[in-house]
Amino acid sequence: ETGVTQSPTHLIKTRGQQVTLRCSSQSGHNTVSWYQQALGQGPQFIFQYYREEENGRGNFPPRFSGLQFPNYSSELNVNALELDDSALYLCASSLGRGSYEQYFGPGTRLTVT
Amino acid sequence: RKEVEQDPGPFNVPEGATVAFNCTYSNSASQSFFWYRQDCRKEPKLLMSVYSSGNEDGRFTAQLNRASQYISLLIRDSKLSDSATYLCVVNMDDMRFGAGTRLTVKP
Repeated sequence: ETGVTQSPTHLIKTRGQQVTLRCSSQSGHNTVSWYQQALGQGPQFIFQYYREEENGRGNFPPRFSGLQFPNYSSELNVNALELDDSALYLCASSLGRGSYEQYFGPGTRLTVT
Repeated sequence: RKEVEQDPGPFNVPEGATVAFNCTYSNSASQSFFWYRQDCRKEPKLLMSVYSSGNEDGRFTAQLNRASQYISLLIRDSKLSDSATYLCVVNMDDMRFGAGTRLTVKP
């Protein structure tokens, strides 16, 4: 069974730039959720994708957007980067929406300068 | 009031000690509950789901009190390898994480 993978592992961007982060879900999982984790905080829910459709969104501005592909892999796009976007971005996959257990990838550490 | 609130910690305990973490949540319609552990600079890993009847997995016991909107995690006979941050997670249509409680187990 293949676990959740994310790329890249680290990224440094300049304020105002755009970034795309990628996630491959665990084998057999059709749901992907994205989280932002600032230092010393718990992960904050950004949004979830289920079968290529957005299925819930947290309190993040529209410059955070995403996609899910037919193979259930996913992208997180962030436009007009701000310094406060510096964080660990985590992707988690699960068997479905709702109450299912989620399994996390290793994350992408984004630094915005 | 925060949606998911945990003991701020940190907890520093000797090997072999019993330690308990508490968590409260604000949404009474919450559907499912979990404990995750997160090692420094790593991703959260599922420790256990929390069921209404309470559940145990080796040295770890989780309990849920829906009336009080309260979840707990008990770790018995602490090991050095238990040192980590423990995250309380509540599913309210989406997963809401507490800020975590840091545990350090010392020899």
